[in-house]
Amino acid sequence: DGGITQSPKYLFRKEGQNVTLSCEQNLNHDAMYWYRQDPGQGLRLIYYSQIVNDFQKGDIAEGYSVSREKKESFPLTVTSAQKNPTAFYLCASTRTGPGPQHFGDGTRLSIL
Amino acid sequence: GENVEQHPSTLSVQEGDSAVIKCTYSDSASNYFPWYKQELGKRPQLIIDIRSNVGEKKDQRIAVTLNKTAKHFSLHITETQPEDSAVYFCAAADSNYQLIWGAGTKLIIKP
Repeated sequence: DGGITQSPKYLFRKEGQNVTLSCEQNLNHDAMYWYRQDPGQGLRLIYYSQIVNDFQKGDIAEGYSVSREKKESFPLTVTSAQKNPTAFYLCASTRTGPGPQHFGDGTRLSIL
Repeated sequence: GENVEQHPSTLSVQEGDSAVIKCTYSDSASNYFPWYKQELGKRPQLIIDIRSNVGEKKDQRIAVTLNKTAKHFSLHITETQPEDSAVYFCAAADSNYQLIWGAGTKLIIKP
């Protein structure tokens, strides 16, 4: 549904552990995005990519890393440097140019 | 850069009444303005959008108006129903086509 698949739906991280969130789209969109949403809050941009093998930091990139080796995939790694990773993570994609972003169903990350 | 402000943060209306949410933006070059609805625990979903060459757009009970001179746009929901209860986000596209988001409005429909 919506052409964007995020996995897993729920993820638990131990202290000092890196975890990777998956985002795959079959919409042939050029641009992809990662957002973090804390309870009762809005969307904050972590990273975005407009073409393969290129990506830019958003407003809260510290403690996160991404890669864009394929057009359809944009995984997000939450590193141990991110001390407060508990949040709802949303991946989105869009065509080139101004237009709507389509969202995946999200991954809810918690600390064990 | 672009900045988007959204008001109110919470809006409570009686079922059947209308609801209006307002957003202002700072970059006069912005030319795309979507509205999203997010239900609890779900992903944001696009409900309506407008481009800068249009002043108003309507889809059944939902409408969006854009005032480019004043740099503000508004979401109007008429004949509100319980299923309209959600958080609504506005956004504006900046010069890099990134969406700059408002902080959200929690809409509560009272029975």
